[in-house]
Amino acid sequence: EVQLVESGGGLVQPGGSLRLSCAASGFTFNTYWMSWVRQAPGKGLEWVANIKEDGSERYYVDSVKGRFTISRDNAKNSLYLQMNSLRVEDTAMYYCARDLGYDSFDVWGQGTMVTVSS
Amino acid sequence: QSALTQPASVSGSPGQSITISCTGTSSDVGGYNYVSWYQQHPGKAPKLMIYDVNKRPSGVSNRFSGSKSGNTASLTISGLQAEDEADYYCCSFAGSRTFDLFGGGTKVTVL
Repeated sequence: EVQLVESGGGLVQPGGSLRLSCAASGFTFNTYWMSWVRQAPGKGLEWVANIKEDGSERYYVDSVKGRFTISRDNAKNSLYLQMNSLRVEDTAMYYCARDLGYDSFDVWGQGTMVTVSS
Repeated sequence: QSALTQPASVSGSPGQSITISCTGTSSDVGGYNYVSWYQQHPGKAPKLMIYDVNKRPSGVSNRFSGSKSGNTASLTISGLQAEDEADYYCCSFAGSRTFDLFGGGTKVTVL
């Protein structure tokens, strides 16, 4: 079964850091782009970042550039999101998604909640 | 860049057809044939329903169809069923700097 399982979310103070992980199984992880997509409570979806199959290319939404870093370990079939200098507006459910390229996210995890609050 | 524009809500009776619009610009929806649609039930992860404007992933009902004209994409649900009640989001590729833009979401209610 193709599956993505996120972990690492929690409550953090503004300015703090958090590292999210996403464990992939059931498919050849190193042949797919991967993305992080977030959803603030009661709001819509927002693409956050993506990374090429071999990690050689990474892209970010403007609001997280310089603060978030996406990475992957293909030997461990895992995707990561290092989040630094967190802001209240980063509060959201963070989903890991398999990225087919351009517009298609065909497999999603169940999400991990990040709450930034003092 | 701003999110794509979707109506906040659309409703229909069982068996009817409804259409959800997704309006962008020539830099996103109008510039590429890369528009996808996602269904999200409360408390659940999104599910891919349509990709590349009008392609259906395996396992998605053929009651769901997509189209595009100019800067506006559309999702049509025919033969509306109770289980179609959910939030729907469009997404468009917006170039290699911005990548993907989502719409604000549309709540579909089955009357």
